[in-house]
Amino acid sequence: DVKVTQSSRYLVKRTGEKVFLECVQDMDHENMFWYRQDPGLGLRLIYFSYDVKMKEKGDIPEGYSVSREKKERFSLILESASTNQTSMYLCATYWTSGYEQYFGPGTRLTVT
Amino acid sequence: DQQVKQNSPSLSVQEGRISILNCDYTNSMFDYFLWYKKYPAEGPTFLISISSIKDKNEDGRFTVFLNKSAKHLSLHIVPSQPGDSAVYFCAATGRYDTNAGKSTFGDGTTLTVKP
Repeated sequence: DVKVTQSSRYLVKRTGEKVFLECVQDMDHENMFWYRQDPGLGLRLIYFSYDVKMKEKGDIPEGYSVSREKKERFSLILESASTNQTSMYLCATYWTSGYEQYFGPGTRLTVT
Repeated sequence: DQQVKQNSPSLSVQEGRISILNCDYTNSMFDYFLWYKKYPAEGPTFLISISSIKDKNEDGRFTVFLNKSAKHLSLHIVPSQPGDSAVYFCAATGRYDTNAGKSTFGDGTTLTVKP
């Protein structure tokens, strides 16, 4: 079974703080994704990476950056957290032999 | 422009009856469609998929129907069970896209199955 883990289930940060969200997968998948989920807005893609050190912007990259130094790890960085970044953050991986994505449990981030 | 739409934010059905969740898409390049199920405080999990060469795919109580001419797909759950209560996301991708795994998701439909 594919296992995708996220560093925290719940996180509370203050406005202006730099926030790191970590995602680790154990299946050697090339592709990794970061989404945020908000009520009524579905899953919105922030960034994705199709290889180590490679990244592409998704639909809502503003205010975020990412890092992928190792294949198994994909980090999402909020450079200066703001209250409108309060959300559920979901990491996912994808293997090129199929089309389904495998998601982590999510991190509920609250910015106060 | 939202390319994948789930027009019903919520659906409530009685246990044992059929649940029908709908999804519409606009991009003609989409040729592979997926449904995911999400419980609160968990990540989505893959449920069932269908490629454009088929019009129906079944897996136990779950059946997905695809109407390519109408750019419409639906997920049928028969019979519905209380444990099916969750948010269901429709997703679409183009199998021959450079990033075929980069699906476009709908907003989700919250299904509540009442005992």
